[in-house]
Amino acid sequence: LAKTTQPISMDSYEGQEVNITCSHNNIATNDYITWYQQFPSQGPRFIIQGYKTKVTNEVASLFIPADRKSSTLSLPRVSLSDTAVYYCLVGEGGYNKLIFGAGTRLAVHP
Amino acid sequence: DTGVSQDPRHKITKRGQNVTFRCDPISEHNRLYWYRQTLGQGPEFLTYFQNEAQLEKSRLLSDRFSAERPKGSFSTLEIQRTEQGDSAMYLCASSPSTRHPRGRGPYEQYFGPGTRLTVT
Repeated sequence: LAKTTQPISMDSYEGQEVNITCSHNNIATNDYITWYQQFPSQGPRFIIQGYKTKVTNEVASLFIPADRKSSTLSLPRVSLSDTAVYYCLVGEGGYNKLIFGAGTRLAVHP
Repeated sequence: DTGVSQDPRHKITKRGQNVTFRCDPISEHNRLYWYRQTLGQGPEFLTYFQNEAQLEKSRLLSDRFSAERPKGSFSTLEIQRTEQGDSAMYLCASSPSTRHPRGRGPYEQYFGPGTRLTVT
């Protein structure tokens, strides 16, 4: 599975838009890009998944350029409750093991 | 969905003791995964089942670890002769083997709350 690189930590303030970029230079043709969110003492939770271009759901947007070597998770108007660790994963479509990196620790301040 | 449940949520044991954790997946999911997470790190894959068959085991899963899913429903993870290095959060996840009915992509897993193991 492709290796991903994302910032270790980010800080933001309530109401701001947060963009977390993930690099995955070795992404394979069959790989999807998936983001998970994890709060302390809880299991990770699926946020969004995409293959190319832009995907939007009720929680976030995912922007994927044409070369697919990176992706950006966008969280609109964050609140304190968005403070969490965000993981970027790439892997082939299908039901198999997930390979997590260390993730990005997002801290949202009042 | 009732969600993935794990029991117990917390376990404190002394080094050398055996411990067993239970995971109940979402009922219609036939894939079940175990992960381990230590402080400040992302979850690490341990093993996974398709129904009752254990299809893959990580090399992290030493001989002291064993997992079962006898009837293709709940699963147990047993650690024998626990060591302090086994202290971690043990996470269980499940997924269907076909596209999620709500139309999300093919690569979503649903995680339980985890069992936090402390070995003293």
